[in-house]
Amino acid sequence: GENVEQHPSTLSVQEGDSAVIKCTYSDSASNYFPWYKQELGKRPQLIIDIRSNVGEKKDQRIAVTLNKTAKHFSLHITETQPEDSAVYFCAARTDSWGKFQFGAGTQVVVTP
Amino acid sequence: GAVVSQHPSWVICKSGTSVKIECRSLDFQATTMFWYRQFPKQSLMLMATSNEGSKATYEQGVEKDKFLINHASLTLSTLTVTSAHPEDSSFYICSAPGRDFLNNEQFFGPGTRLTVL
Repeated sequence: GENVEQHPSTLSVQEGDSAVIKCTYSDSASNYFPWYKQELGKRPQLIIDIRSNVGEKKDQRIAVTLNKTAKHFSLHITETQPEDSAVYFCAARTDSWGKFQFGAGTQVVVTP
Repeated sequence: GAVVSQHPSWVICKSGTSVKIECRSLDFQATTMFWYRQFPKQSLMLMATSNEGSKATYEQGVEKDKFLINHASLTLSTLTVTSAHPEDSSFYICSAPGRDFLNNEQFFGPGTRLTVL
């Protein structure tokens, strides 16, 4: 089955700096890669996603890149703000109705 | 977007009792729903896939007799934790694929915090 590894586990950045979180996956058949932001005690919220036929996607301060050959994808947050502080999870899915395999999560702390 | 609700949002129970958690898709039909468990400071771990009209599919290591899943309608899946023990205390979250087959997004419920005393 699919295995997703996520690094780093914690990330502290100064407000205004960029944050990068990286994930690798094992199943070359995986075709959908979402990123979720989860605040304490709340549901995961989708912040950006990318399909396997795309190499990069951007939405304002957030971008995701995908390298299918190397089987890794990354989340980039620019101009970080204190409200970006949360746990971020990457995930990978193999088929349209299939289950997600989540990474271990990254605790991001943005200090003013 | 699609909305998924869960009930209750939190529950405290005594050891040995059973607890039922409901997951509903409010504005779309979901033939498939997923149940996750999340321990503090850990990731979401898939427990089982709930299928409307058929048996649930459990992940390796998840006891099907302890975590009973019933997907009785196209909008409701229930997870019953039977004979709960303190180690079952966790955050339980369900999710469902959206109504658009071509849209890969899954929608998560708000979660249920279970505390077993």
